Amino acid sequence: DQQVKQNSPSLSVQEGRISILNCDYTNSMFDYFLWYKKYPAEGPTFLISISSIKDKNEDGRFTVFLNKSAKHLSLHIVPSQPGDSAVYFCAAGSLRYGGSQGNLIFGKGTKLSVKP
Amino acid sequence: DAEITQSPRHKITETGRQVTLACHQTWNHNNMFWYRQDLGHGLRLIHYSYGVQDTNKGEVSDGYSVSRSNTEDLPLTLESAASSQTSVYFCASSEAGGPYNEQFFGPGTRLTVL
Repeated sequence: DQQVKQNSPSLSVQEGRISILNCDYTNSMFDYFLWYKKYPAEGPTFLISISSIKDKNEDGRFTVFLNKSAKHLSLHIVPSQPGDSAVYFCAAGSLRYGGSQGNLIFGKGTKLSVKP
Repeated sequence: DAEITQSPRHKITETGRQVTLACHQTWNHNNMFWYRQDLGHGLRLIHYSYGVQDTNKGEVSDGYSVSRSNTEDLPLTLESAASSQTSVYFCASSEAGGPYNEQFFGPGTRLTVL
């Protein structure tokens, strides 16, 4: 059973507009969430994270929102740029989950295309 | 600069052969991970290690093994390659101390099993 779900395989946005990527999780023990960005033929790179004690974290054009009651987080990119076109993975982790100390559970990813 | 490298970047092999994918990091990280990425599945954890001589099975460990004899390297071995193991493989590393520490990923190895 998927514990981290990204239900939109793809998203297309016009340059300059907002991109909103969504992620849902099922395990209430997750207490740390991350977004990774992946370009073709490269490994994923860390983008932004949020702890469960917060509901928002901002870094430049990127903001992650966490709604713990809904077990939902979203990544907002404003304004979107063509260079943001990539696959975005949502990931979740917890020190309490299964005794693991560094493991992350990844979603399937959402491919973002930003049109000029 | 510290980095994480994988070799080879591309590999074609035949069913039944043993294959080893190399992963080397110079971050001096305790944690190392192997993932596979497949269309429709995202990144799935194969094996992970929290330090020298420590190895653990992940979500999709059947048919794979790892060994950790030093901090820098975590080779992934496919004992008898199967077509279902055709995938892109990523190695990652992080500092000890939980998921709060960023995982750094290698560039990936594309493996094709014919």
